[in-house]
Amino acid sequence: DADVTQTPRNRITKTGKRIMLECSQTKGHDRMYWYRQDPGLGLRLIYYSFDVKDINKGEISDGYSVSRQAQAKFSLSLESAIPNQTALYFCATSDFSRPYGYTFGSGTRLTVV
Amino acid sequence: SQQGEEDPQALSIQEGENATMNCSYKTSINNLQWYRQNSGRGLVHLILIRSNEREKHSGRLRVTLDTSKKSSSLLITASRAADTASYFCATVPGANSKLTFGKGITLSVRP
Repeated sequence: DADVTQTPRNRITKTGKRIMLECSQTKGHDRMYWYRQDPGLGLRLIYYSFDVKDINKGEISDGYSVSRQAQAKFSLSLESAIPNQTALYFCATSDFSRPYGYTFGSGTRLTVV
Repeated sequence: SQQGEEDPQALSIQEGENATMNCSYKTSINNLQWYRQNSGRGLVHLILIRSNEREKHSGRLRVTLDTSKKSSSLLITASRAADTASYFCATVPGANSKLTFGKGITLSVRP
């Protein structure tokens, strides 16, 4: 099993729908992140969490919300999806004691039509 | 906003040749990291170099860091077709900061 698992792998949804992307990890890491990747723009940070009670906005948090249900679970929600949220979404984890090497999930390809 | 900026944006070489990719950044850093991404997949951490280090090696990878020029280079020696991927540099400004990624370099290694 993968260390960081994202579900679903692919999703097509309609404009205005609420959608949740889920991330779970078996690394035992305390820190979790959601990134968005668009062609030619690299990865941009949406939200991050340093522990279960800590949630922080990244550089592009508008239109998104997150929930850290447990140390191992971090979900990303699009409250009302819009077409420009079509992108590849990645969850990542890191460890406070070794905070610099991130482990990434395989990504969720989201298409909003 | 992106901190790191890679150069070139795309690189095509023959198998067996060396590939050199560069990254420049704007503000001071705690460390700089390089990641690889195979098409549409997750990123894989390759190597980390701290601000007080000038060079690191890992297998066929060699990373250099010049903090006075705010730049880093990643050298892949004796490239293989399997090295075909996108490569990203990412910086950590402070000890408790998050990774900020550049836009990436697309490397194609022709068999």
